Formats: sequence, structure tokens, C-alpha cells
Amino acid sequence: DARVTQTPRDKVTEMGQEVTMRCQPILGHNTVFWYRQTMMQGLELLAYFRNRAPLDDSGMPKDRFSAEMPDATLATLKIQPSEPRDSAVYFCASARGSPFTDTQYFGPGTRLTVL
Amino acid sequence: TQLLEQSPQFLSIQEGENLTVYCNSSSVFSSLQWYRQEPGEGPVLLVTVVTGGEVKKLKRLTFQFGDARKDSSLHITAAQTGDTGLYLCAGGSTSGTYKYIFGTGTRLKVLA
Repeated sequence: DARVTQTPRDKVTEMGQEVTMRCQPILGHNTVFWYRQTMMQGLELLAYFRNRAPLDDSGMPKDRFSAEMPDATLATLKIQPSEPRDSAVYFCASARGSPFTDTQYFGPGTRLTVL
Repeated sequence: TQLLEQSPQFLSIQEGENLTVYCNSSSVFSSLQWYRQEPGEGPVLLVTVVTGGEVKKLKRLTFQFGDARKDSSLHITAAQTGDTGLYLCAGGSTSGTYKYIFGTGTRLKVLA
């Protein structure tokens, strides 16, 4: 049963610290998405990659967030420096091919709390 | 800015009742998805609709895409406690840069 995995599941950190979240997409999936979910804003698309290349990161605060795919089995989302307003659940999702038509499979999320 | 408004925001009903959740926008979408999310988990896709006026059924769930592809509805017949969760619609737009946005969500609680 192939699944998207995310680590860590929970992260508590202090303001100003660097946070790195990791995602392992489903094997063979070429499109990877990062989302953020809060009570106030709901679920927002931050960025997505196709074949490891960033296609759109317009939803991501550029000054402190960065997303990369070092290889096909790992996607990372970094926040440096972190701020309390970054507290949210961050989801990774992967899809086999086109983000336009293929099903997205979501990971369980990383719950980030910035104090 | 594209928005997907869902109504109602919260819904608490008794087992066996029927309900409808609405997803509305002023924008046209190339496709629209419905997801269900349970606490501590990511959203799980229920259905994708792509054609205006399309109706899809998934057991007790009926999904409809508006003729103009700006709105959608989810109808649940004879709700069960297992239907409890957060229901999210999401729309994809291919006009210009690809955009994918989620609706505001409907939190459903079905009471035994």
C-alpha cells in the first residue's frame, strides 16, 4: 500500500530557529506538492514540482521559505527563520503525472508549532 | 483572486438524515475535486468532475458539477457516523499558470 510519508509528524520550535520538513513521495510519482493548512486560511498550495523542477512557488513566502527536491525520493520544505505565524500543518502530496488531471495523494502532515 | 466558498461551514446531523454541501465560485474551473479529511490525516480524494453538468455517484454520495463549471454540490443520503469529517472541494484552473485552490471546508458531524 504505497503512501506519502512525512517527517517529522510534530515539531515544536522557538521563533528564529530553522525548520526542515521532509517528504517521501509515492514511488513513480513525478509531481510533488507542498500545502499549508490553518484554521484561518484553510488549505493553501505553497509550491509544486514536476520531475524535481519547481513549477510554481508563488504561494510561498519567498524571504523565509524554500522548497527543494534533492532527488526523486525526497522533497524538503525549509523555513528560516521561523515565526509564530508559520504555525500550521504542512502537507506534502504527490501525483503520478500531470497536476491538472492526476489524483493527488496526501501525506499525514507535519504539525509545526513556533513559540 | 479565485475563491471557493463552501456552505454550510459546520453541520451536525443525526444518523440517517440527508444533507447537501455546496461549493461556489465566481471563477470557472477546468476540474473540481471533493476530498474528505479526518483528524490527524491528509485529505483523501473522493471524486473528480470535469464536465459541466456532470453527476457522479459514489455509494451514498452524489456529486454534481454546475453547468458553468463554477460550482458543485455534494449530497449524502442516509448519513452514517463514518461520514463524519471535513469535506473540502478543490478546483484546478489551467487559464494561464496552473492554479489549484481549496474551498473553505465543511465540517460534518454525524451523531448516532
